[in-house]
Amino acid sequence: TQLLEQSPQFLSIQEGENLTVYCNSSSVFSSLQWYRQEPGEGPVLLVTVVTGGEVKKLKRLTFQFGDARKDSSLHITAAQPGDTGLYLCAVDNTGGFKTIFGAGTRLFVKA
Amino acid sequence: DAGVIQSPRHEVTEMGQEVTLRCKPISGHNSLFWYRQTMMRGLELLIYFNNNVPIDDSGMPEDRFSAKMPNASFSTLKIQPSEPRDSAVYFCASSLGGRRNTEAFFGQGTRLTVV
Repeated sequence: TQLLEQSPQFLSIQEGENLTVYCNSSSVFSSLQWYRQEPGEGPVLLVTVVTGGEVKKLKRLTFQFGDARKDSSLHITAAQPGDTGLYLCAVDNTGGFKTIFGAGTRLFVKA
Repeated sequence: DAGVIQSPRHEVTEMGQEVTLRCKPISGHNSLFWYRQTMMRGLELLIYFNNNVPIDDSGMPEDRFSAKMPNASFSTLKIQPSEPRDSAVYFCASSLGGRRNTEAFFGQGTRLTVV
């Protein structure tokens, strides 16, 4: 069983559409991170959310941390081909400062 | 800083051969992580070091895998003997350890193919 369950696994949409991807767990976390990984590259941090109910915006990306701090969502408005990539949520597990990742949502935005 | 540097970028080897992957973390970072990424299993943490000391190697799949960090600027992940099921992209990452919410900086990965 994965600590972090991400959905959907795959998403293919047209440029200009909106989308939301999810990261869920039965565990409570003090914080959660979202990374984006482009083909042939390593993951790059997008945002860290730390407070239950917190909403953070990064241009067209909106991140929300659930009130109970067990889940998170990432909403992209007016998706662009440059948004194509693998979106990974991650948590700092057990306080040992090691980062554990979900399996990711693979997004493809068609022009 | 050039970021986390991994070598080689690609490695193709025959089953049974020894493979050594190399990583140079970002200067000043005191935590280093080795991950393996496959389509089936996603990004798995293999081992991590803090101040050059292995802290948790519970993710290392079996005794064929070993990792060392002889100094703050260099780490290796060795597979001996390699098997086809070891084929994956191996990432090294570094961070400023000892604090929460720290960002992990990844290298570009080594794509390993064992035939």
